[in-house]
Amino acid sequence: EAQVTQNPRYLITVTGKKLTVTCSQNMNHEYMSWYRQDPGLGLRQIYYSMNVEVTDKGDVPEGYKVSRKEKRNFPLILESPSPNQTSLYFCASSLREDARGTFGYTFGSGTRLTVV
Amino acid sequence: AQRVTQPEKLLSVFKGAPVELKCNYSYSGSPELFWYVQYSRQRLQLLLRHISRESIKGFTADLNKGETSFHLKKPFAQEEDSAMYYCALRADSSYKLIFGSGTRLLVRP
Repeated sequence: EAQVTQNPRYLITVTGKKLTVTCSQNMNHEYMSWYRQDPGLGLRQIYYSMNVEVTDKGDVPEGYKVSRKEKRNFPLILESPSPNQTSLYFCASSLREDARGTFGYTFGSGTRLTVV
Repeated sequence: AQRVTQPEKLLSVFKGAPVELKCNYSYSGSPELFWYVQYSRQRLQLLLRHISRESIKGFTADLNKGETSFHLKKPFAQEEDSAMYYCALRADSSYKLIFGSGTRLLVRP
């Protein structure tokens, strides 16, 4: 089944303890992206990657890192998490156009992170 | 600047009533517009795209370039339509989707 897989689904951690949220897609998509979802603010892009070893900042990159060593994986790294990073995180992937010439994101099921 | 505005945070209607979720965009070029839906505790899913001119689950949306709008409509709301709805803009045939802040639709019995 074509999908984007995020792990973990839920995570509670303490301030300053490094963590990684993994994202993997099995659709050979070039583009991958991380978003955070907060009430009243909608989806805000953190980082994105156009292809292997190509990453760039989104709208709210502070406090986050990413890497794209392989096409299928795009982990999100919080080196020193803080309470303001408590949020719901989504990974998404896409082709520029699929076989039908259409475009759209495939989203993961989300990671709910709480930093205390 | 490219921007998507969804003016309503919450829209509450009764079952069987018409629904219109508003979306306005700011973009000088030729946009592609999308609606995504997120049911409770689930991932975001593509609902419809303006290019396809399709109707999904009874929802339609027409791109109005004069008013720079892409409102989502359904003539008779169902309880299972209760969800979070996001309007999104794709600019310049790029990979990036710009999302609005979302509207929560609550359909009451």
